[in-house]
Amino acid sequence: AQKVTQAQTEISVVEKEDVTLDCVYETRDTTYYLFWYKQPPSGELVFLIRRNSFDEQNEISGRYSWNFQKSTSSFNFTITASQVVDSAVYFCALSEARRGSYIPTFGRGTSLIVHP
Amino acid sequence: GAGVSQSPSNKVTEKGKDVELRCDPISGHTALYWYRQSLGQGLEFLIYFQGNSAPDKSGLPSDRFSAERTGGSVSTLTIQRTQQEDSAVYLCASGGGYTEAFFGQGTRLTVV
Repeated sequence: AQKVTQAQTEISVVEKEDVTLDCVYETRDTTYYLFWYKQPPSGELVFLIRRNSFDEQNEISGRYSWNFQKSTSSFNFTITASQVVDSAVYFCALSEARRGSYIPTFGRGTSLIVHP
Repeated sequence: GAGVSQSPSNKVTEKGKDVELRCDPISGHTALYWYRQSLGQGLEFLIYFQGNSAPDKSGLPSDRFSAERTGGSVSTLTIQRTQQEDSAVYLCASGGGYTEAFFGQGTRLTVV
């Protein structure tokens, strides 16, 4: 079973639209970490945010916001007023304790295409 | 440099040859990860190093794959007797252990 599910394979929007990328995770641990990464066409993964399991407070950073809900095991990512430069593949990841170490498990990614 | 550095950026090799991929992590990072990303796929975990502990090799797909980390810093991923299915982008990342991992630009391996 997938630990991290990003059900949306590809999303296409027009510039200035808001878009939400879904992430559902599965874990039995009480302590874990969640991440979002951006992979632009250049290929290098860029870290966006980390959340630990004890902090459900939502976060906003400019046009980006994240909604963490333990009740639904979801960690969704919203881009407000999308721009062409937001076009990329976005990955959600879960890090659980594994033999004392934390190793991120990634979802399959959501490709976001923002049209001008 | 300040980021994770990987070399080479691109590698084309003939089937059956051995290849070595190098990763220079961010200075001071104790954790080092190798992942593989095939075309249009997510990231597949390969191996994890943390400090002086024994590496977690549970993601290595076969015994043709091995990795080492010398002096707690530079890491080399070796693929022996390469096969066409080994073609992928190999990503290295480093971090503080349970914190976020920072990725290099990757090595694109093509086996012909």
